[in-house]
Amino acid sequence: DAGVIQSPRHEVTEMGQEVTLRCKPISGHNSLFWYRQTMMRGLELLIYFNNNVPIDDSGMPEDRFSAKMPNASFSTLKIQPSEPRDSAVYFCASRMRTGSRGTEAFFGQGTRLTVV
Amino acid sequence: GDSVTQMEGPVTLSEEAFLTINCTYTATGYPSLFWYVQYPGEGLQLLLKATKADDKGSNKGFEATYRKETTSFHLEKGSVQVSDSAVYFCALSDGYGGSQGNLIFGKGTKLSVKP
Repeated sequence: DAGVIQSPRHEVTEMGQEVTLRCKPISGHNSLFWYRQTMMRGLELLIYFNNNVPIDDSGMPEDRFSAKMPNASFSTLKIQPSEPRDSAVYFCASRMRTGSRGTEAFFGQGTRLTVV
Repeated sequence: GDSVTQMEGPVTLSEEAFLTINCTYTATGYPSLFWYVQYPGEGLQLLLKATKADDKGSNKGFEATYRKETTSFHLEKGSVQVSDSAVYFCALSDGYGGSQGNLIFGKGTKLSVKP
């Protein structure tokens, strides 16, 4: 398996522009997470999905952020409009959740976003 | 809610020194516990895990034991190498009686190993 695939790996955009980050989870996984990592705040959970349904989006910073999972093999995180303080590394992770036991998640390589 | 607390870094050690990174958790259910490692410029990778009390996870010389009585999952290695320099994250996943599948991370501990 190719693992969790994120694109693009790097994104530089101007303030005010729309940014879309993409994630392809591991085939067969039914949970997907979006995290943001910065030096100041560390690793923050933004949102997670179970079976394509958003379960907890309380970590989404504000209305400028939105995430979708239209099917089991694809998810997007959109920022519109982008601001310099959104600059961070964004990680997608997926896992197989069976019954009530938690399994490990597998992370993508991340998208480094720079908003200038 | 569920949470993970791990020791603040950075931790600086000499090669071949003994490593301990403390991790404690609070959880409403019976969680699974994990240690992840992040090397510079990379994503997080699973280092080891334990799914029930008294389980010991181990990998690459690292070990951690699931202690339900002390709600702890401390990471240890007997002899660190320069190549172990990375950021280490403790994490939990809810189990029976917990919420719907969240994966909660500690703030991470940066380890630097000097030759």
